[in-house]
Amino acid sequence: QQQVKQSPQSLIVQKGGIPIINCAYENTAFDYFPWYQQFPGKGPALLIAIRPDVSEKKEGRFTISFNKSAKQFSLHIMDSQPGDSATYFCAASFSGSARQLTFGSGTQLTVLP
Amino acid sequence: DVKVTQSSRYLVKRTGEKVFLECVQDMDHENMFWYRQDPGLGLRLIYFSYDVKMKEKGDIPEGYSVSREKKERFSLILESASTNQTSMYLCASQEDGWNTEAFFGQGTRLTVV
Repeated sequence: QQQVKQSPQSLIVQKGGIPIINCAYENTAFDYFPWYQQFPGKGPALLIAIRPDVSEKKEGRFTISFNKSAKQFSLHIMDSQPGDSATYFCAASFSGSARQLTFGSGTQLTVLP
Repeated sequence: DVKVTQSSRYLVKRTGEKVFLECVQDMDHENMFWYRQDPGLGLRLIYFSYDVKMKEKGDIPEGYSVSREKKERFSLILESASTNQTSMYLCASQEDGWNTEAFFGQGTRLTVV
């Protein structure tokens, strides 16, 4: 049972483009929504995170948009660069159960020079 | 600098072997996790631990067990390896509490032949 659905599975954009990755969740108990970035040969690393009482959060070129009523959230990458080419995972967690993260299926982003 | 270290980057084992994957963290985190990563499926939680000697099943525990005898070390055990356990295995640790970051190891690529 996949509680966090992520799309698209892969995405190719030109340098300077704005890739958008979307996620939808089912469990309304989720109260923390991070995005992780993974480069080949490395473990995932936290990129940016949001809580459900905030509709948008920006950190540098990365923005999370959050729609609580629709149970959806998305990652936007402004002015994308080839160095942003990586796999991106959305995730969600709730209090209890050691704050275990439920991950989406991942999006492989390629930014062409 | 925080660190989660997995004992092996690559492992090749035979069907039926007992396999041990070791993970050590140096951050004094309460929570530790084992995930497996497969293309198109994202990261799926196998087991987690919130304290020494305490463990909980994740979403896909069948065929696996874990051990946490010391706070810094969390081991994943494949009792009798099978070819469908060929995967990338990721260990993570996380401080207890809301909005805390999960830190991942570099992963172990296990091939069962």
